[in-house]
Amino acid sequence: NAGVMQNPRHLVRRRGQEARLRCSPMKGHSHVYWYRQLPEEGLKFMVYLQKENIIDESGMPKERFSAEFPKEGPSILRIQQVVRGDSAAYFCASSPRRGGFTSGGFNEQFFGPGTRLTVL
Amino acid sequence: AQSVAQPEDQVNVAEGNPLTVKCTYSVSGNPYLFWYVQYPNRGLQFLLKYITGDNLVKGSYGFEAEFNKSQTSFHLKKPSALVSDSALYFCAVRDPSYSSASKIIFGSGTRLSIRP
Repeated sequence: NAGVMQNPRHLVRRRGQEARLRCSPMKGHSHVYWYRQLPEEGLKFMVYLQKENIIDESGMPKERFSAEFPKEGPSILRIQQVVRGDSAAYFCASSPRRGGFTSGGFNEQFFGPGTRLTVL
Repeated sequence: AQSVAQPEDQVNVAEGNPLTVKCTYSVSGNPYLFWYVQYPNRGLQFLLKYITGDNLVKGSYGFEAEFNKSQTSFHLKKPSALVSDSALYFCAVRDPSYSSASKIIFGSGTRLSIRP
């Protein structure tokens, strides 16, 4: 059973270009989360998606950032008109149920290897 | 608002000695607490969690953590450190009373360095 897949692992963009980050959740997982890790900082929650729905986007910057998780295919985190401050590692996680919890227990989120975005 | 703090940026320990990585939290209700480890150029790996029950939680790779409600702490421990334990460790907390079941707050991370 393959884990959470993210691609590309490294992405270099020039200021003003678009960045597309992909996340394929674990088999059987229908919930995806995106986190950003800035240099020397901890992870910060960005967005939580279920198939075809955005559940919680309270951590997403108001402009230039968007995310989707279509019925078929991977989840996409899209950053338009990138700036140097967008340089970070972006991690995706998946869980089989809402919030990673079940009624009788707990299923933790499983993390992908991350995509390291560098903006020149 | 929920928060988690890791007061040490770096912890240095000699191989074979016990190690402790500190974590304190702040939530409005009973917390769900987690430890994750990140090896170089890798994603996060789950180590252990506290939801309810026994305050001493055992996890992967010989790690354990003790939930202390009065001190609002969840320190990560290991009796005998290995060089291979050198990595970045993240403490995380989720407030189960939070309206969004999804959000987990991570600490800033502690870099653990084990010298031979």
